[in-house]
Amino acid sequence: GAVVSQHPSWVICKSGTSVKIECRSLDFQATTMFWYRQFPKQSLMLMATSNEGSKATYEQGVEKDKFLINHASLTLSTLTVTSAHPEDSSFYICSARTGIETQYFGPGTRLLVL
Amino acid sequence: GESVGLHLPTLSVQEGDNSIINCAYSNSASDYFIWYKQESGKGPQFIIDIRSNMDKRQGQRVTVLLNKTVKHLSLQIAATQPGDSAVYFCAEKGPRNAGGTSYGKLTFGQGTILTVHP
Repeated sequence: GAVVSQHPSWVICKSGTSVKIECRSLDFQATTMFWYRQFPKQSLMLMATSNEGSKATYEQGVEKDKFLINHASLTLSTLTVTSAHPEDSSFYICSARTGIETQYFGPGTRLLVL
Repeated sequence: GESVGLHLPTLSVQEGDNSIINCAYSNSASDYFIWYKQESGKGPQFIIDIRSNMDKRQGQRVTVLLNKTVKHLSLQIAATQPGDSAVYFCAEKGPRNAGGTSYGKLTFGQGTILTVHP
């Protein structure tokens, strides 16, 4: 149980285009989902907290107009990287929380912006 | 400040040895701690957790120790196997924020690269 999926697993796009990443909780309902970014050989950095039916809460330094988050249902959250640039290339990981503590992570999406 | 680093320390052990991975956390008010294992190109995988009212918890081949006095967390892996090779992260969960919407967010430590040699 507690499986989280992400789609796509990897994506290559041209600079200036937008990319949407989906995060789904497959066998449970998640009132809260989190989006992280991880650069090579570094730790996970929380980007935003997504609550179903409300606006996402962004961490300091994360541009909310560039990283659009939508949490339309209890099993789906999406992250859209708008006008992507090479510096946005990274590994994006989502997690979904049941209850108040345990977070289950997705497999990650590798984004490469050319 | 946050316990997030930029360059990961490494630990190399021989197969069958015990491994100890350490983590210093930053927020004395954190009430829940988790160890995750991350293999290359994959998302973090839950290993074991511990609440702040405990100082030790054991799982299968793993033990987590919590020392709140010095804000230190450790993960002990018994009889380490090549399949244990990965990056290990500790994470702390902070207390409820005033706004409530970010309650329970995790702050990850810098991570340790564990390499197990056969």
